[in-house]
Amino acid sequence: SQQGEEDPQALSIQEGENATMNCSYKTSINNLQWYRQNSGRGLVHLILIRSNEREKHSGRLRVTLDTSKKSSSLLITASRAADTASYFCATVRSTLGRLYFGRGTQLTVWP
Amino acid sequence: GAVVSQHPSRVICKSGTSVKIECRSLDFQATTMFWYRQFPKQSLMLMATSNEGSKATYEQGVEKDKFLINHASLTLSTLTVTSAHPEDSSFYICSARVVGLGVWDTEAFFGQGTRLTVV
Repeated sequence: SQQGEEDPQALSIQEGENATMNCSYKTSINNLQWYRQNSGRGLVHLILIRSNEREKHSGRLRVTLDTSKKSSSLLITASRAADTASYFCATVRSTLGRLYFGRGTQLTVWP
Repeated sequence: GAVVSQHPSRVICKSGTSVKIECRSLDFQATTMFWYRQFPKQSLMLMATSNEGSKATYEQGVEKDKFLINHASLTLSTLTVTSAHPEDSSFYICSARVVGLGVWDTEAFFGQGTRLTVV
């Protein structure tokens, strides 16, 4: 990928369980964003965390950022079957605002 | 959130022909739009940055003459795949950001993507 790596590449869990996805990146960033993609569709923005922030919450989502390790994690609590999708992290590196994406994690939540 | 409309959603074309994909920001103005390409079960690869009224900026390895980008207005960018080959078959997605914000602390809005098949 242009940005870095995410793990796991695939994650399969039961409804009600928590899902944790990790993202590593290579260069300095302005901010890091997480997106969701349903199969064959566009991307939907989930959450943005700035480089000077360490943790952020939005509903059932919790994102952490460790700039010293160049890594981030996305936690989805109490997962639902409707959470089944691919999740991508993306970093903004420059004033041009280009978004570079990781490989993504395919999350499957079984009812 | 803001709406980005991408058209067509699917297109099949013959080798050697050209295909144009449109990306419109419906309820906001976007000085900058981005074009991505995605292979099955893989990440989005940034192809180019489209700036209204100026030339697009292409990522390394992307052929400028093959993937023509035009950003004629604050609400429309087009990607034309010229002399298409089967290896150009892919999922193409555009993205736009809101005008007027000086920093890139904002989310990007994505079109629904175009599935291009070259036969």
